[in-house]
Amino acid sequence: NAGVTQTPKFQVLKTGQSMTLQCAQDMNHNSMYWYRQDPGMGLRLIYYSASEGTTDKGEVPNGYNVSRLNKREFSLRLESAAPSQTSVYFCASSDLPGQGTHEQFFGPGTRLTVL
Amino acid sequence: GQQLNQSPQSMFIQEGEDVSMNCTSSSIFNTWLWYKQDPGEGPVLLIALYKAGELTSNGRLTAQFGITRKDSFLNISASIPSDVGIYFCAGPPFNSGGSNYKLTFGKGTLLTVNP
Repeated sequence: NAGVTQTPKFQVLKTGQSMTLQCAQDMNHNSMYWYRQDPGMGLRLIYYSASEGTTDKGEVPNGYNVSRLNKREFSLRLESAAPSQTSVYFCASSDLPGQGTHEQFFGPGTRLTVL
Repeated sequence: GQQLNQSPQSMFIQEGEDVSMNCTSSSIFNTWLWYKQDPGEGPVLLIALYKAGELTSNGRLTAQFGITRKDSFLNISASIPSDVGIYFCAGPPFNSGGSNYKLTFGKGTLLTVNP
């Protein structure tokens, strides 16, 4: 099993450009998450999808959109990138918390720089 | 929102030494999770704790779920160079209700091990 995979690993954008970060998991998890990690700020939740067909805002959703394409895939889109979105983005997945655990499993990250 | 306070923020130790770090909150947590993040990688789950007072080991790592449910501790025995990284605590707050998919993360303890 590959676990959680993310593409691309690195990306450089100019201000105003758009892009989509891709995430897929092969653990048959119901829930998926997008986080950003900035120095001194820890991990902050952008959006999450509790189950296929649902998405909800997290702590820092402004400037982002998400799509839960199917049970395996959850994408994050930046419509008009800004320098403040320079960060490392992590995708994670988990079983439904009601099924006993809250353990989230993370991908390797996408390092995004917006010039 | 809920906050998790991790201490110390950073540690510099010699190979072979034992390490202790902790995570505290003003709120009760249902679950405590400890993650490690290697440089340039995503967080990896080390230990999950689900009951107050629980003590769980994973190799040289031992973690405890505090009796008050407001804190947790992680100990590493006989440190080695590959223990270098950032250690995060995380958990769903007790009163997160329908938002119990979300984890609150500490800002991490940066561990450096000198060979």
